[in-house]
Amino acid sequence: QVQLVQSGAEVKKPGASVKVSCKASGYTFTDHYVYWVRQAPGQGLEFIGIINPNGGRTSNAQMFQGRVTLTRDTSTTTVYMELSSLRSEDTAVYYCARERDYYDTSGSCFDYWGQGTLVTVSS
Amino acid sequence: DIQMTQSPSSLSASVGDRVTITCRASQSITTHLNWYQQKPGKAPNLLIYAASSLQSGVPSRFSGSGSGTYFTLTISSLQPEDFAIYYCQQSYSSAVTFGGGTKVEIK
Repeated sequence: QVQLVQSGAEVKKPGASVKVSCKASGYTFTDHYVYWVRQAPGQGLEFIGIINPNGGRTSNAQMFQGRVTLTRDTSTTTVYMELSSLRSEDTAVYYCARERDYYDTSGSCFDYWGQGTLVTVSS
Repeated sequence: DIQMTQSPSSLSASVGDRVTITCRASQSITTHLNWYQQKPGKAPNLLIYAASSLQSGVPSRFSGSGSGTYFTLTISSLQPEDFAIYYCQQSYSSAVTFGGGTKVEIK
């Protein structure tokens, strides 16, 4: 069965970096893009970036440009999100999600999600 | 970015009620619209994709409709396990965006 398993919770100080992993299994790793989305406490969902595991091409949301790096390791079927220059506003649960194309038309959705990784930024 | 606006932000309903949540896009997104359910401490779960297609394994009491800029999610007969937060999400742009969420609470 398809699974996305994320690394554990992190506590970081302002200015530090954090790297969250997302290990995929149960499907062909290079067949699906992986998105990163975050959710601050009590808030909604916010797009961070996308990685194409087939080749490693990435695209990030404007607000994270210069601070987020997405990578993948095809040998371990794992994608990584590294966020630098952390500030208190980055405290959130970070999710990876598998993108699946619609069956009959253009467009896509997120059919599998990781369990989430809580990143707490505090001095 | 395409803005997604959900209403209401919260609602109270009883088991067996029919519930409708709306989602508006700031520009036409044709039918590139998905709905998710999120329960406390859990990741979102896909309910509806392409505006009106039911994800495999999701109960048929959930349905979606709409196109362009206006969309609805309807729960035909609310069940105890449906109390949760619901989000719409557009995939018209690769820079996906989500609505602010609608919390469905027990009356």
